[in-house]
Amino acid sequence: DAKTTQPTSMDCAEGRAANLPCNHSTISGNEYVYWYRQIHSQGPQYIIHGLKNNETNEMASLIITEDRKSSTLILPHATLRDTAVYYCIVRVAGAGNQFYFGTGTSLTVIP
Amino acid sequence: NAGVTQTPKFQVLKTGQSMTLQCAQDMNHEYMSWYRQDPGMGLRLIHYSVGAGITDQGEVPNGYNVSRSTTEDFPLRLLSAAPSQTSVYFCASSIRHSGANVLTFGAGSRLTVL
Repeated sequence: DAKTTQPTSMDCAEGRAANLPCNHSTISGNEYVYWYRQIHSQGPQYIIHGLKNNETNEMASLIITEDRKSSTLILPHATLRDTAVYYCIVRVAGAGNQFYFGTGTSLTVIP
Repeated sequence: NAGVTQTPKFQVLKTGQSMTLQCAQDMNHEYMSWYRQDPGMGLRLIHYSVGAGITDQGEVPNGYNVSRSTTEDFPLRLLSAAPSQTSVYFCASSIRHSGANVLTFGAGSRLTVL
């Protein structure tokens, strides 16, 4: 699986968009980009995933560059409840559930 | 649906004791896995299963055993607890979603080994 690189921490003002970057320069054509988050000590929560196209759901948007070497998770209107650690993971489709988590980005939403 | 249920939520053991962390899911998910999370670190994969009767090792399998006799249950056994196994343990199961796998996690089991 391709390795990912994320900033260790970020701050965002409440109500503003939070843009979380992820580099995955060694990604291959059949690998998906997944985003999960972990609030305090809870179990991680799935946010969104994509392969090539940009994706949007009720939680966030995922922007993948044309060369697929990086992506950005966008939380359009960050709230205090979005304060969490965000994990970017690259995984081959259908390869089982062996997801490997790094240390992620610790996002703090500031009032 | 209850989702992924882990028991116990908290447990204190003495060095050398054995115990089993339970994980059950009621979503008929094919895949299940166990992770541990140490303070300030990400999750590390211990063992996983792609179906009943099939298990395999992850990144940090030493000191742990698993079995998968049913689709619903995936217990994690600590054979002889050590202080290094003090951690928070998460169980996860997965389905296919839009051609990819999406993990659903339990609430976690916090284990302290004295």
